[in-house]
Amino acid sequence: DAGITQSPRYKITETGRQVTLMCHQTWSHSYMFWYRQDLGHGLRLIYYSAAADITDKGEVPDGYVVSRSKTENFPLTLESATRSQTSVYFCASNKGTSFFTDTQYFGPGTRLTVL
Amino acid sequence: GENVEQHPSTLSVQEGDSAVIKCTYSDSASNYFPWYKQELGKGPQLIIDIRSNVGEKKDQRIAVTLNKTAKHFSLHITETQPEDSAVYFCAASRGLSGGSNYKLTFGKGTLLTVNP
Repeated sequence: DAGITQSPRYKITETGRQVTLMCHQTWSHSYMFWYRQDLGHGLRLIYYSAAADITDKGEVPDGYVVSRSKTENFPLTLESATRSQTSVYFCASNKGTSFFTDTQYFGPGTRLTVL
Repeated sequence: GENVEQHPSTLSVQEGDSAVIKCTYSDSASNYFPWYKQELGKGPQLIIDIRSNVGEKKDQRIAVTLNKTAKHFSLHITETQPEDSAVYFCAASRGLSGGSNYKLTFGKGTLLTVNP
C-alpha cells in the first residue's frame, strides 16, 4: 500500500526558475490538498482539488499553479520561484465520501530551497 | 474564515508525566477537530480526532476533549514516553458545510519534549 508519495523529497533551485512538485496517491481519494509549512506559521493551505479538473485556491495561492488531470496526481508548480517560497511542502488527500470530514492523510513532504 | 489558536508553543515534561495542549477556534460551524503528530523530517500523522457531537474521546494514553460552548478543545497525553516527543498540531474543519470542502485550518503547533 504505497499511500501518498511526493517527489522530489529535496529540491534546490534559483530565483526565477520554474519548479514542479509532484504528488501521487494510490487510494483514489477525491480530495487533494497542498500545504506549505513555515516556522511560526504552521501549515497553510495553498490549493486544493475536489476531483479531477476541479481546483480552488486556499489561503496562500499567489505564485503557485496546480492542475489535476488524473485523480491520483496533483502537481504544484512554482512558475517563477522566489526566496519567500523556500519552505516544506506537504500534499494530503481525503476520501471525500461523506458530509463530514474524513481523515486527511499527508505525504512525507518536499523541502524546497530557493537561492 | 476559521482561526485556530494553539498553546503552548513549546512544552517540556518528564517521562511519565502528563501533557496537555489546548486549542481554541473561532468558527462555530466547525464540526471536526483532528490532532496530528509530526516527527522530524516526516509528514503529519493523525493521532486522534473528535466530532462536534462528542465531548471526549480516548485512545489508550491519548484523549481529546471538546467544549463547543467555549469553542476549545484539548489533547491530553498521559504517562508520556520519549517517543512522544514531536510537534503536535490541532486543526478544525466544517466538513462540506458552507462549501468548506473539508478544508482544515491548523494551529501553529506545539513542540513537545519528553525528558527521560
